[in-house]
Amino acid sequence: ETGVTQTPRHLVMGMTNKKSLKCEQHLGHNAMYWYKQSAKKPLELMFVYNFKEQTENNSVPSRFSPECPNSSHLFLHLHTLQPEDSALYLCASSPDPKFYIQYFGAGTRLSVL
Amino acid sequence: GEDVEQSLFLSVREGDSSVINCTYTDSSSTYLYWYKQEPGAGLQLLTYIFSNMDMKQDQRLTVLLNKKDKHLSLRIADTQTGDSAIYFCAENNNAGNMLTFGGGTRLMVKP
Repeated sequence: ETGVTQTPRHLVMGMTNKKSLKCEQHLGHNAMYWYKQSAKKPLELMFVYNFKEQTENNSVPSRFSPECPNSSHLFLHLHTLQPEDSALYLCASSPDPKFYIQYFGAGTRLSVL
Repeated sequence: GEDVEQSLFLSVREGDSSVINCTYTDSSSTYLYWYKQEPGAGLQLLTYIFSNMDMKQDQRLTVLLNKKDKHLSLRIADTQTGDSAIYFCAENNNAGNMLTFGGGTRLMVKP
Protein backbone atom coordinates (compact mmCIF):
# COMPACT_ATOMS: atom_id res chain seq x y z
CA GLU A 1 0.00 0.00 0.00
CA THR A 2 1.66 3.21 -1.18
CA GLY A 3 -0.97 5.69 -0.03
CA VAL A 4 -2.03 6.51 -3.58
CA THR A 5 -5.48 5.15 -4.48
CA GLN A 6 -6.87 4.95 -7.99
CA THR A 7 -10.44 4.22 -8.99
CA PRO A 8 -11.80 2.43 -10.81
CA ARG A 9 -9.29 -0.41 -11.11
CA HIS A 10 -10.79 -1.51 -14.42
CA LEU A 11 -12.82 0.43 -16.99
CA VAL A 12 -14.30 -0.56 -20.31
CA MET A 13 -15.70 2.21 -22.47
CA GLY A 14 -16.90 2.83 -25.98
CA MET A 15 -15.34 5.45 -28.21
CA THR A 16 -18.25 7.84 -27.73
CA ASN A 17 -18.38 7.60 -23.94
CA LYS A 18 -17.17 10.11 -21.40
CA LYS A 19 -15.58 8.74 -18.26
CA SER A 20 -13.21 9.92 -15.54
CA LEU A 21 -10.35 8.31 -13.69
CA LYS A 22 -9.72 9.34 -10.11
CA CYS A 23 -6.55 9.44 -8.06
CA GLU A 24 -6.36 10.29 -4.39
CA GLN A 25 -3.43 10.62 -2.03
CA HIS A 26 -3.37 11.53 1.64
CA LEU A 27 0.39 11.62 1.96
CA GLY A 28 0.53 15.39 2.10
CA HIS A 29 2.25 15.50 -1.27
CA ASN A 30 2.06 18.55 -3.49
CA ALA A 31 2.93 17.08 -6.87
CA MET A 32 0.82 14.58 -8.80
CA TYR A 33 1.38 12.84 -12.10
CA TRP A 34 -0.48 10.84 -14.74
CA TYR A 35 1.39 8.15 -16.66
CA LYS A 36 0.29 5.84 -19.45
CA GLN A 37 1.63 2.29 -19.57
CA SER A 38 1.01 0.49 -22.85
CA ALA A 39 2.11 -2.97 -23.80
CA LYS A 40 5.62 -3.04 -25.27
CA LYS A 41 6.21 0.69 -24.72
CA PRO A 42 8.06 2.51 -21.94
CA LEU A 43 6.06 4.28 -19.29
CA GLU A 44 4.95 7.63 -20.71
CA LEU A 45 4.51 10.72 -18.58
CA MET A 46 1.30 12.54 -19.51
CA PHE A 47 0.78 15.39 -17.04
CA VAL A 48 2.42 16.92 -13.98
CA TYR A 49 0.65 19.05 -11.40
CA ASN A 50 2.45 21.04 -8.76
CA PHE A 51 0.36 22.71 -6.05
CA LYS A 52 -2.73 22.20 -8.25
CA GLU A 53 -1.14 23.93 -11.23
CA GLN A 54 -0.34 21.99 -14.38
CA THR A 55 3.38 22.28 -15.03
CA GLU A 56 3.84 19.67 -17.73
CA ASN A 57 1.71 18.45 -20.61
CA ASN A 58 3.69 15.91 -22.54
CA SER A 59 1.97 16.50 -25.90
CA VAL A 60 -1.11 14.60 -24.81
CA PRO A 61 -4.15 14.67 -27.16
CA SER A 62 -7.01 16.87 -26.03
CA ARG A 63 -9.31 13.86 -25.61
CA PHE A 64 -7.48 13.47 -22.28
CA SER A 65 -8.31 16.31 -19.92
CA PRO A 66 -6.73 16.42 -16.45
CA GLU A 67 -8.15 18.19 -13.45
CA CYS A 68 -6.54 18.83 -10.08
CA PRO A 69 -9.03 20.49 -7.71
CA ASN A 70 -6.67 20.22 -4.74
CA SER A 71 -3.31 18.71 -3.89
CA SER A 72 -4.90 15.44 -2.78
CA HIS A 73 -7.02 14.67 -5.82
CA LEU A 74 -6.29 14.27 -9.49
CA PHE A 75 -8.71 13.34 -12.24
CA LEU A 76 -8.28 12.32 -15.84
CA HIS A 77 -11.38 13.01 -17.91
CA LEU A 78 -11.73 10.86 -21.01
CA HIS A 79 -13.76 11.76 -24.08
CA THR A 80 -14.03 10.13 -27.53
CA LEU A 81 -11.08 7.87 -26.98
CA GLN A 82 -9.57 5.55 -29.56
CA PRO A 83 -8.83 1.82 -29.20
CA GLU A 84 -5.10 2.63 -29.10
CA ASP A 85 -5.74 4.54 -25.88
CA SER A 86 -6.33 1.20 -24.13
CA ALA A 87 -3.62 0.97 -21.50
CA LEU A 88 -2.88 1.01 -17.79
CA TYR A 89 -3.11 4.57 -16.47
CA LEU A 90 -0.97 5.17 -13.43
CA CYS A 91 -1.13 8.04 -11.01
CA ALA A 92 1.83 9.03 -8.84
CA SER A 93 2.59 11.67 -6.26
CA SER A 94 5.68 13.16 -4.67
CA PRO A 95 6.23 15.72 -1.91
CA ASP A 96 7.13 18.24 -4.59
CA PRO A 97 8.36 17.95 -8.18
CA LYS A 98 11.94 18.47 -7.10
CA PHE A 99 11.71 15.56 -4.68
CA TYR A 100 12.69 12.75 -6.88
CA ILE A 101 10.85 9.80 -5.38
CA GLN A 102 7.40 9.21 -6.77
CA TYR A 103 4.81 6.95 -5.16
CA PHE A 104 2.51 5.12 -7.55
CA GLY A 105 -1.06 3.93 -7.35
CA ALA A 106 -2.10 0.51 -8.64
CA GLY A 107 -3.47 1.96 -11.84
CA THR A 108 -6.68 1.86 -13.84
CA ARG A 109 -6.76 -0.72 -16.62
CA LEU A 110 -8.67 0.98 -19.47
CA SER A 111 -10.11 -0.82 -22.46
CA VAL A 112 -11.59 1.23 -25.30
CA LEU A 113 -13.89 -0.72 -27.59
CA GLY B 1 17.01 13.53 -25.57
CA GLU B 2 16.76 11.07 -22.75
CA ASP B 3 16.68 7.36 -23.39
CA VAL B 4 16.75 4.51 -20.92
CA GLU B 5 17.19 0.97 -22.17
CA GLN B 6 16.84 -2.41 -20.55
CA SER B 7 16.79 -5.98 -21.73
CA LEU B 8 13.29 -7.41 -21.93
CA PHE B 9 13.58 -10.65 -20.06
CA LEU B 10 15.64 -12.51 -17.44
CA SER B 11 15.10 -15.99 -16.09
CA VAL B 12 16.89 -17.36 -13.02
CA ARG B 13 16.54 -20.26 -10.62
CA GLU B 14 15.40 -19.72 -7.06
CA GLY B 15 18.38 -19.09 -4.80
CA ASP B 16 20.58 -17.74 -7.59
CA SER B 17 21.55 -14.10 -7.98
CA SER B 18 19.79 -11.95 -10.57
CA VAL B 19 21.45 -9.04 -12.31
CA ILE B 20 19.27 -6.60 -14.22
CA ASN B 21 21.06 -4.06 -16.38
CA CYS B 22 20.13 -0.61 -17.62
CA THR B 23 21.79 2.03 -19.77
CA TYR B 24 20.84 5.67 -19.83
CA THR B 25 21.87 8.72 -21.79
CA ASP B 26 21.29 11.79 -19.61
CA SER B 27 24.58 12.40 -17.81
CA SER B 28 23.00 15.23 -15.79
CA SER B 29 20.66 12.88 -13.91
CA THR B 30 20.92 13.41 -10.19
CA TYR B 31 19.29 10.18 -9.10
CA LEU B 32 18.68 6.82 -10.71
CA TYR B 33 15.96 4.48 -9.53
CA TRP B 34 14.78 0.92 -9.59
CA TYR B 35 11.06 0.26 -9.45
CA LYS B 36 9.28 -3.10 -9.24
CA GLN B 37 5.87 -3.84 -10.76
CA GLU B 38 4.02 -6.99 -9.76
CA PRO B 39 1.07 -8.22 -11.83
CA GLY B 40 -1.96 -5.98 -11.50
CA ALA B 41 -0.13 -3.44 -9.38
CA GLY B 42 1.50 -0.07 -9.76
CA LEU B 43 5.19 0.66 -9.54
CA GLN B 44 6.88 0.23 -6.18
CA LEU B 45 10.14 2.04 -5.51
CA LEU B 46 12.78 -0.53 -4.60
CA THR B 47 15.85 1.61 -4.25
CA TYR B 48 17.62 4.60 -5.70
CA ILE B 49 21.18 5.84 -5.96
CA PHE B 50 22.60 9.32 -6.00
CA SER B 51 24.69 10.00 -9.07
CA ASN B 52 27.90 10.67 -7.13
CA MET B 53 27.81 7.15 -5.64
CA ASP B 54 28.96 4.02 -7.39
CA MET B 55 27.36 1.43 -5.15
CA LYS B 56 24.48 1.12 -2.76
CA GLN B 57 23.50 -1.98 -0.82
CA ASP B 58 20.15 -2.57 0.83
CA GLN B 59 19.66 -6.08 2.23
CA ARG B 60 19.43 -8.41 -0.79
CA LEU B 61 19.67 -5.54 -3.27
CA THR B 62 22.90 -4.09 -4.62
CA VAL B 63 22.89 -1.19 -7.05
CA LEU B 64 26.00 -0.49 -9.11
CA LEU B 65 26.43 2.73 -11.05
CA ASN B 66 29.08 3.24 -13.70
CA LYS B 67 28.68 6.88 -14.55
CA LYS B 68 31.38 6.87 -17.21
CA ASP B 69 29.57 4.17 -19.17
CA LYS B 70 26.10 5.38 -18.10
CA HIS B 71 25.32 1.88 -16.87
CA LEU B 72 23.17 0.96 -13.90
CA SER B 73 22.59 -2.52 -12.54
CA LEU B 74 20.45 -4.13 -9.88
CA ARG B 75 21.65 -7.32 -8.27
CA ILE B 76 19.19 -9.38 -6.26
CA ALA B 77 20.88 -11.95 -4.05
CA ASP B 78 19.18 -15.26 -3.20
CA THR B 79 16.36 -14.58 -5.65
CA GLN B 80 12.96 -15.85 -4.52
CA THR B 81 9.80 -16.66 -6.47
CA GLY B 82 8.24 -13.55 -4.93
CA ASP B 83 10.83 -11.49 -6.78
CA SER B 84 9.17 -12.40 -10.08
CA ALA B 85 8.00 -9.07 -11.50
CA ILE B 86 8.88 -6.39 -14.01
CA TYR B 87 11.77 -4.17 -12.96
CA PHE B 88 12.07 -0.63 -14.30
CA CYS B 89 15.06 1.63 -14.09
CA ALA B 90 14.48 5.37 -14.28
CA GLU B 91 16.44 8.59 -14.31
CA ASN B 92 15.34 12.10 -13.50
CA ASN B 93 15.72 14.85 -16.03
CA ASN B 94 18.00 17.85 -15.64
CA ALA B 95 15.26 20.00 -14.13
CA GLY B 96 14.51 17.20 -11.69
CA ASN B 97 10.78 17.23 -12.19
CA MET B 98 10.33 14.28 -14.53
CA LEU B 99 11.38 10.68 -14.59
CA THR B 100 12.25 8.77 -17.74
CA PHE B 101 11.65 5.06 -17.46
CA GLY B 102 13.18 2.14 -19.28
CA GLY B 103 10.92 -0.40 -20.94
CA GLY B 104 11.20 -2.81 -18.01
CA THR B 105 12.85 -6.21 -17.54
CA ARG B 106 10.58 -9.13 -16.77
CA LEU B 107 12.25 -11.33 -14.17
CA MET B 108 11.05 -14.90 -13.97
CA VAL B 109 12.20 -16.99 -11.03
CA LYS B 110 11.93 -20.74 -11.47
CA PRO B 111 11.63 -23.01 -8.43
